[in-house]
Amino acid sequence: DTGVSQNPRHKITKRGQNVTFRCDPISEHNRLYWYRQTLGQGPEFLTYFQNEAQLEKSRLLSDRFSAERPKGSFSTLEIQRTEQGDSAMYLCASSFGTGTYNEQFFGPGTRLTVL
Amino acid sequence: AQTVTQSQPEMSVQEAETVTLSCTYDTSESDYYLFWYKQPPSRQMILVIRQEAYKQQNATENRFSVNFQKAAKSFSLKISDSQLGDAAMYFCAYMFGNEKLTFGTGTRLTIIP
Repeated sequence: DTGVSQNPRHKITKRGQNVTFRCDPISEHNRLYWYRQTLGQGPEFLTYFQNEAQLEKSRLLSDRFSAERPKGSFSTLEIQRTEQGDSAMYLCASSFGTGTYNEQFFGPGTRLTVL
Repeated sequence: AQTVTQSQPEMSVQEAETVTLSCTYDTSESDYYLFWYKQPPSRQMILVIRQEAYKQQNATENRFSVNFQKAAKSFSLKISDSQLGDAAMYFCAYMFGNEKLTFGTGTRLTIIP
């Protein structure tokens, strides 16, 4: 299957610990997006990359969050000193092209639970 | 800032019947895209239908169609001949400039056999 993959699918951690999630986009997709979805809400934009460049960061992305996309392929999202409020589903999406519209394809998400 | 509002947290419909999900949005832009995404339980989000704001014709995809009212900033989704596999969370979303998606809070659709 050549869809967007995310690992791990589930992560349980204790408050104060650091966690890192990985997203592998569809091959040759040059754009990669991170969203966060809390229970009962729609996904909220966190950040996105075009190739290896991080083009936009949401105000939701506090200093404890950092995202990278080395070499414009996979991406990692790290949360330092996790808080209970970080518990959510973290979704990754990718798209190809720079035209007026390019469909975003979503991965299955990583569900984070902070105890 | 753009906002998307879905005022129906839950909807239900009998199998084979038609259901309409509502969505309103707010933007100062004139050229943008609107979407309906489906998120089945424990499965990933998939695109159902897309509407370009500059097109007056409403988009259709098989049993799915939209009613796009640009002046009213309204974008509803009609599902005809509802099937059990249509049960899911449905999210309305907005995009300007081929960048990030702004989602509504979703509508949980239940199909009654």
